[in-house]
Amino acid sequence: KAGVTQTPRYLIKTRGQQVTLSCSPISGHRSVSWYQQTPGQGLQFLFEYFSETQRNKGNFPGRFSGRQFSNSRSEMNVSTLELGDSALYLCASNFDTDTQYFGPGTRLTVL
Amino acid sequence: DQQVKQNSPSLSVQEGRISILNCDYTNSMFDYFLWYKKYPAEGPTFLISISSIKDKNEDGRFTVFLNKSAKHLSLHIVPSQPGDSAVYFCAASAPTGGSYIPTFGRGTSLIVHP
Repeated sequence: KAGVTQTPRYLIKTRGQQVTLSCSPISGHRSVSWYQQTPGQGLQFLFEYFSETQRNKGNFPGRFSGRQFSNSRSEMNVSTLELGDSALYLCASNFDTDTQYFGPGTRLTVL
Repeated sequence: DQQVKQNSPSLSVQEGRISILNCDYTNSMFDYFLWYKKYPAEGPTFLISISSIKDKNEDGRFTVFLNKSAKHLSLHIVPSQPGDSAVYFCAASAPTGGSYIPTFGRGTSLIVHP
């Protein structure tokens, strides 16, 4: 099976802009989660989608949003970018188990 | 408030010796624990896991030990190899809204010297 894919891999934006990141889960996986990784902070949970519905949400401001499509592909959007949003954004999928399978991530740089 | 703590940001080990990575947690509702390994420019990859009903799980060179009373788990790598050099994340999960969302520690960077 193909793994989790994320596009784009790298992105440079300026403050105030918005950005959309895309994730395609492993075939058959219906749950998609998003994480933010910054130096020294580990992986911070953003939200989880299951069958096109947000099932869980982390402690991030409303500027961070997401959605899931009927084919389980997911997108996350960050509006009004801030310098502190520079991070590696990771998508993970799972098949109703505890084990998350991660994509390679999208490295977002906000200037 | 960190619910999963990896107190050692880095660890340096000689090739062939044992690597021991430690993790502490505070939430007694956690019932499943995982270790992930991450190379630069890649996403984390699942390494090994353990359920709270066990105190040890082994997979080749990797063994995870769980001490529930101390809320502590550790990952042992024996023998360590240079290819094991990576950042290791400990994660713990509890049922949340019908799914299991792991809480991650901040990671320990392991360097294995030839």
